[in-house]
Amino acid sequence: AQSVAQPEDQVNVAEGNPLTVKCTYSVSGNPYLFWYVQYPNRGLQFLLKYITGDNLVKGSYGFEAEFNKSQTSFHLKKPSALVSDSALYFCAVRDGTNDYKLSFGAGTTVTVRA
Amino acid sequence: DTGVSQDPRHKITKRGQNVTFRCDPISEHNRLYWYRQTLGQGPEFLTYFQNEAQLEKSRLLSDRFSAERPKGSFSTLEIQRTEQGDSAMYLCASSSTPGGNTGELFFGEGSRLTVL
Repeated sequence: AQSVAQPEDQVNVAEGNPLTVKCTYSVSGNPYLFWYVQYPNRGLQFLLKYITGDNLVKGSYGFEAEFNKSQTSFHLKKPSALVSDSALYFCAVRDGTNDYKLSFGAGTTVTVRA
Repeated sequence: DTGVSQDPRHKITKRGQNVTFRCDPISEHNRLYWYRQTLGQGPEFLTYFQNEAQLEKSRLLSDRFSAERPKGSFSTLEIQRTEQGDSAMYLCASSSTPGGNTGELFFGEGSRLTVL
């Protein structure tokens, strides 16, 4: 079985400060890891993914994520947060066999204050 | 707009009624997925199609739930004899097969079901 944990329901940061959203995963075999963002009244949008290769992946809107196999983590980061980054963030995982099924975490609400 | 569209965006129904949701995927995408999202939870996989074939449906929540994609284009998700526990956001997503293999899904804005 595959699963994702997002240990923080909410993250609050000041604009201009670094932003980190945590994610740990459990999967058999090699993980395929993803971050999605959901803005109010909008559909989920793909941010970035890790399939293989460099442990630091870069995505949309200045976000990046670091894959750490030993800690089974895939934390989302942004060096300098913007008020417009305020949204609901989901981490997701799938294994290498079932390429159709993503398992999502419960989500982390990010609030960036001006 | 050529994204994934879902209709209706919001449906309020009484317990015991049947409801149907429609999803129009991105036109060149051959894979279509249905997910369910309840308050405070992430999306939960229900079923998916590759073209018109429904390749996985074991995660549909009960036999009251069914989905179709008759011509490999739009899809419908039907819930019969709705229960209050069915209240949720029903999300549709699509991908092309290479995208599907790497997990990049394109989601619609969802259809919110409220069962009274």
